[in-house]
Amino acid sequence: NAGVMQNPRHLVRRRGQEARLRCSPMKGHSHVYWYRQLPEEGLKFMVYLQKENIIDESGMPKERFSAEFPKEGPSILRIQQVVRGDSAAYFCASSPLIEQGASGYTFGSGTRLTVV
Amino acid sequence: SQQGEEDPQALSIQEGENATMNCSYKTSINNLQWYRQNSGRGLVHLILIRSNEREKHSGRLRVTLDTSKKSSSLLITASRAADTASYFCATAFYNQGGKLIFGQGTELSVKP
Repeated sequence: NAGVMQNPRHLVRRRGQEARLRCSPMKGHSHVYWYRQLPEEGLKFMVYLQKENIIDESGMPKERFSAEFPKEGPSILRIQQVVRGDSAAYFCASSPLIEQGASGYTFGSGTRLTVV
Repeated sequence: SQQGEEDPQALSIQEGENATMNCSYKTSINNLQWYRQNSGRGLVHLILIRSNEREKHSGRLRVTLDTSKKSSSLLITASRAADTASYFCATAFYNQGGKLIFGQGTELSVKP
C-alpha cells in the first residue's frame, strides 16, 4: 500500500498560468480532502470529494479554484490564473467509506506551489 | 471561527524532558486528533481521542480531553531530538462530513 500519493512534489508557475495538483488516495479509500497550508500556519480545509461528487467545497475560493475526483484516476485540484498569494503547500488526505472522520486520516506529502 | 488555538506557539526543551502542548476549540466535537509535521513534510497522524474519552495513551504520548473546557493536551514524555517537529491538533465535528479543523500548531524543538 503506497499511501496517499501526491504529485508533483514541487510546482513552479508564473502568474497567470494554470496549476494542476494530483492526489491518488490510498487503495480502498473513496473520500478525498484537500487542505492548504500557508507558511507558518496550520492547514485550512478546502474541499471534500467522493468519487464523481463534491460533498463540501466550503473552503474553496469562489474563483479560479476547482476540484474533481473522477470515477477513474486521481483527484485533481486545479488553480487557474495563479497569483502570488496562491503560493502554499497543498495537502491531500484520504479516508475509507466507513468511520469517516472517526479515525485518523492519511495525508500525502503535499505539493509545494510557488508562483513567480 | 471553529478553529482551535494551540499554545505555546513554540517550545524548546532538552532531550529527556517532557513536552506539553495545549489545544482549545470552540464547538462540540466528534473527536480530536493530533498530528506531527516535520519541516517540509506531510502530516503524520499520532493519536485520536473521542468526545466520550478523557485520556488516551500511545507509547510516549498521552492525550487528555476536557469537553467541558473544550480543551486538550498532548504530553510527550522523555523527549528525543527526533521529536523535533510541529504538532497540530485537529477537530472533527458532527455533521461536518469528516473534515478537520486544524489549530495553528506548536513548534517543538528538542535539543540533544
